[in-house]
Amino acid sequence: SQTIHQWPATLVQPVGSPLSLECTVEGTSNPNLYWYRQAAGRGLQLLFYSVGIGQISSEVPQNLSASRPQDRQFILSSKKLLLSDSGFYLCAWSGSLGNTIYFGEGSWLTVV
Amino acid sequence: AQSVTQLGSHVSVSEGALVLLRCNYSSSVPPYLFWYVQYPNQGLQLLLKYTSAATLVKGINGFEAEFKKSETSFHLTKPSAHMSDAAEYFCAVSSASGGSYIPTFGRGTSLIVHP
Repeated sequence: SQTIHQWPATLVQPVGSPLSLECTVEGTSNPNLYWYRQAAGRGLQLLFYSVGIGQISSEVPQNLSASRPQDRQFILSSKKLLLSDSGFYLCAWSGSLGNTIYFGEGSWLTVV
Repeated sequence: AQSVTQLGSHVSVSEGALVLLRCNYSSSVPPYLFWYVQYPNQGLQLLLKYTSAATLVKGINGFEAEFKKSETSFHLTKPSAHMSDAAEYFCAVSSASGGSYIPTFGRGTSLIVHP
């Protein structure tokens, strides 16, 4: 069966520091991968999605970037965090032709 | 273009009462529809999905939803609420757009269950 993991689960970072959140999927190949951000009371915001290695689409221009160095690995990064980057970040995957996405456990980021 | 509207950011029910969470969608092509549940500090878990088969879809934990094309709705129901059902519920719609099925999510409905 397929599993998805993301880490770290909780992160407290000062303003201006870098960020790296990592996500990996097991049990499938060539998945579509997604990064979402969830702010309190504001639902889910799609940040990035990827249909293959090195192929990244950005939905919202901002302080963050994403990379997909391997087929089942998706990384969310920032060079300098802002207070507004605080939130709950969710990685997700779907099959390459699939219409259903499955979420990881989430990562809480607090920028102080 | 596709969109989802969840009516009511909070729904409060008594334990044992009927649960009804409303979702209306907009899609220019036949959609796929989903309900997810999120417990505090966790990711979203798929409850059920509609993919153009039976219009009444049964999911986990006793939940079900009915696809009504004429009303563009996909409401989530459960006959009898349990305390453990207290969580955030998200409705989502996806349709083929440029060959991908990126879903659009509603803002979520918080279900509160009173003893």
